Amino acid sequence: DVKVTQSSRYLVKRTGEKVFLECVQDMDHENMFWYRQDPGLGLRLIYFSYDVKMKEKGDIPEGYSVSREKKERFSLILESASTNQTSMYLCASSSMLAGGPTGELFFGEGSRLTVL
Amino acid sequence: AQTVTQSQPEMSVQEAETVTLSCTYDTSENNYYLFWYKQPPSRQMILVIRQEAYKQQNATENRFSVNFQKAAKSFSLKISDSQLGDTAMYFCAFKRYQGAQKLVFGQGTRLTINP
Repeated sequence: DVKVTQSSRYLVKRTGEKVFLECVQDMDHENMFWYRQDPGLGLRLIYFSYDVKMKEKGDIPEGYSVSREKKERFSLILESASTNQTSMYLCASSSMLAGGPTGELFFGEGSRLTVL
Repeated sequence: AQTVTQSQPEMSVQEAETVTLSCTYDTSENNYYLFWYKQPPSRQMILVIRQEAYKQQNATENRFSVNFQKAAKSFSLKISDSQLGDTAMYFCAFKRYQGAQKLVFGQGTRLTINP
């Protein structure tokens, strides 16, 4: 089974702190994603990556950056956390292999971040 | 840009009843994928069912089935013989057939199955 592991389930940070959210997948997937989940808004894409060192902005990239130095690891960085970044962050991965389960995302358990 | 709309923020039914969750989407593309994902309380999101737009037959997975109306851009999820374990947030999602691998999600429907 695919396993997507997010480093922290719950974090509490102060305004202005630098925050790192780590995600690791064990299925050699090419694609990795960071979504933000808020009540009434569903999931919104922050950034995604389709290869090592490659990244593309999603729908709400402002205030965030990402890093993908190894295929299995995709990090989300909040350079200076703000209270409006309090949210649930979901990491996901998917395969681009032909004939594979095209499009299916495999999710981590989520990281709930509170910025005070 | 594609958009996905779930107009039912919350639903509640009795155990063993049948429930239908609604989803509409907007796209100019002819081929694409549609998904329903389930997020149980405090647990990770999992795929429930997938539909390829070029397939006319509605997808089914055990008690879960979809009503895919391509012309109306509607993709509803029917849960038959609902169980307590079906209590969860349900998200409808869209993916282009080719190109970017990202999914676009709806707002979600919180479904509660009552004993």
